[in-house]
Amino acid sequence: DAMVIQNPRYQVTQFGKPVTLSCSQTLNHNVMYWYQQKSSQAPKLLFHYYDKDFNNEADTPDNFQSRRPNTSFCFLDIRSPGLGDAAMYLCATSSPSGRAAADTQYFGPGTRLTVL
Amino acid sequence: DQQVKQNSPSLSVQEGRISILNCDYTNSMFDYFLWYKKYPAEGPTFLISISSIKDKNEDGRFTVFLNKSAKHLSLHIVPSQPGDSAVYFCAASASHNDMRFGAGTRLTVKP
Repeated sequence: DAMVIQNPRYQVTQFGKPVTLSCSQTLNHNVMYWYQQKSSQAPKLLFHYYDKDFNNEADTPDNFQSRRPNTSFCFLDIRSPGLGDAAMYLCATSSPSGRAAADTQYFGPGTRLTVL
Repeated sequence: DQQVKQNSPSLSVQEGRISILNCDYTNSMFDYFLWYKKYPAEGPTFLISISSIKDKNEDGRFTVFLNKSAKHLSLHIVPSQPGDSAVYFCAASASHNDMRFGAGTRLTVKP
């Protein structure tokens, strides 16, 4: 089945220790997104890639970086995690073939990050 | 700045009855609206959408209504089933690749 996979599902890191979250997709979608979702809050878009073009949200902290080495994979790097970065991180994809398709996003199960 | 708001964090209904989930938005540039459903330990999955040129879209038991003048949309589920118990997110976009989500409403359907 075509899908969006996130690894690991649970990640524990120490304050200030760099961490990388991984997302892969078999949908062959051009666009990949990273969202941060804190408890009982709306998912917040951090950035997205349209093919290799990186699009950062204006309020995404510099502490958050992303890499997309190929169509299938996208990584979220948190350079110096703080306690406030503990959250669920969701990866999503979409295909820009028409407005309806472009806005229908396919999500992975998320990675829950704990910062000690 | 919360552009999409779901003011009810939770909703409980009896099996067989109608569930109505509400969503308000502030950005008049939004022209495409979606509902996503999320089960525990899974990512959100697309449920139903509506373009701003319509005021209603129906898919089986699920109907989304859009009131542009009130900047309000709602999701109706009828009849509600226990398997519908999940968190429902409202989302809206004004352009490609720029979607804003609400905080979600947890629906519980009691047998």
